[in-house]
Amino acid sequence: EVQLVESGGDLVQPGGSLRLSCAASEFAFGAFWMAWVRQAPGKGLEWVANIKGDGREKDHVDSVKGRFTISRDNAKNSLYLQMNSLTAEDMAVYYCARDLGWGRIDLWGQGTLVTVSS
Amino acid sequence: QSALTQPASVSASPGQSITISCTGTSSDVGGYNYVSWYQQYPRKAPKLIIYEVNKWPSGVSNRFSGSKSGNTASLTISGLQPEDEADYYCCSFAGGSNLVFGGGTKLTVL
Repeated sequence: EVQLVESGGDLVQPGGSLRLSCAASEFAFGAFWMAWVRQAPGKGLEWVANIKGDGREKDHVDSVKGRFTISRDNAKNSLYLQMNSLTAEDMAVYYCARDLGWGRIDLWGQGTLVTVSS
Repeated sequence: QSALTQPASVSASPGQSITISCTGTSSDVGGYNYVSWYQQYPRKAPKLIIYEVNKWPSGVSNRFSGSKSGNTASLTISGLQPEDEADYYCCSFAGGSNLVFGGGTKLTVL
């Protein structure tokens, strides 16, 4: 089955770090742009970062630049999000997603919850 | 990278039609024909229902349609059905590889 499965969400203290992972199955992972999209409790969707299939191009939303880093390992069919200096504003469900280009996101994971609290 | 502007809520009766607006700027909605729309049920992942302003992904009903004029995109749902009750989000390409979403619209089918 074509799917994305996120893991790594947890309760972390403000200022802490967390690494999210996303395992892709049954499609040519390395051929696709991939993205992380988050949704704070009761709020809307927010694009966080994306990365080209070969990993050579990537970008992040301004609010996480310098703190979060998207990366991928095509040999492991895996996408990652390293999150440092976490704040309460980063608390959200984080979705891994396949981006066919220009916002055409056709495949989503089930999401993983990141809670930032002392 | 400000969020696109959507109405917080809309409502209508079964069989009626509704339109949800999505207003951005010339740097996003107005600058590209790359607006997509997503449907999201509570505690579920979003689902793509429109891409590139007015194209349907495979398997999506043609009761959903999209359009754009200037800096505002719109999603129209015709022949409303109870299962259309959900949250709807617009999304626009914003240059480089950036994307920006709208704040979301809650659709209630009365």
